[in-house]
Amino acid sequence: DIQMTQSPSSLSASVGDRVTITCRASQSISNYLNWYQHKPGKAPNLLIYGASSLQGGVPSRFSGSGSGTDFTLTISSLQPEDFATFYCQQSYSIPLTFGQGTTLEIK
Amino acid sequence: EVQLVESGGGLVKPGGSLRLSCAASGFIFTNAWMSWVRQGPGKGLEWVGRIKTKADGWATDYAAPVKGRFTISRHHSRNMVYLQMNSLKTEDTAVYYCTTDQHMGGSYEALDYWGQGTPVTVSS
Repeated sequence: DIQMTQSPSSLSASVGDRVTITCRASQSISNYLNWYQHKPGKAPNLLIYGASSLQGGVPSRFSGSGSGTDFTLTISSLQPEDFATFYCQQSYSIPLTFGQGTTLEIK
Repeated sequence: EVQLVESGGGLVKPGGSLRLSCAASGFIFTNAWMSWVRQGPGKGLEWVGRIKTKADGWATDYAAPVKGRFTISRHHSRNMVYLQMNSLKTEDTAVYYCTTDQHMGGSYEALDYWGQGTPVTVSS
């Protein structure tokens, strides 16, 4: 199975900050990498697919980059509604696997 | 509007069985792969398994922790997906989400729509 490791596990930031979350795969996954946002009590929401393609309806302040084993999710200017837990997920091979999550908290 | 509504969760004893259902609407169900994902208490997201379409032979794939105990099926005329869970263990306690499993941009498999989830508690 491909292991996905995110860093940091948690992060405190302020509204307006630029934030970057990293995700590393245990082997090359090309660009078969997705990012999700999950708020407590809500359904997770797909943000980015194919490492860098923005899902429809997702604000342009979210962006993704990377290929191979190293990936990043960047939020250019944090908004109050962005505070949540973010997960990367590989779709290169079965089983689909997620990172452990990065919780973004208000400073 | 895409809607996925899970039901069937509840409290069950270890070794017991439970069947979860997912009612799908707002998209062409017969063309969509479907997955189940779970989140245990205080844990992250864990993919459980998926079912493909009739065109793909109704093929299923499962994560190792549930293989041989869980079965995913679908009923096309009812737009329903099911997760039959047998021989349940305490570690299966989680919120279970039904998701669409699409090839975005024609290439990249992603879980693009999610239900609100149904909780399952396995405890004596």
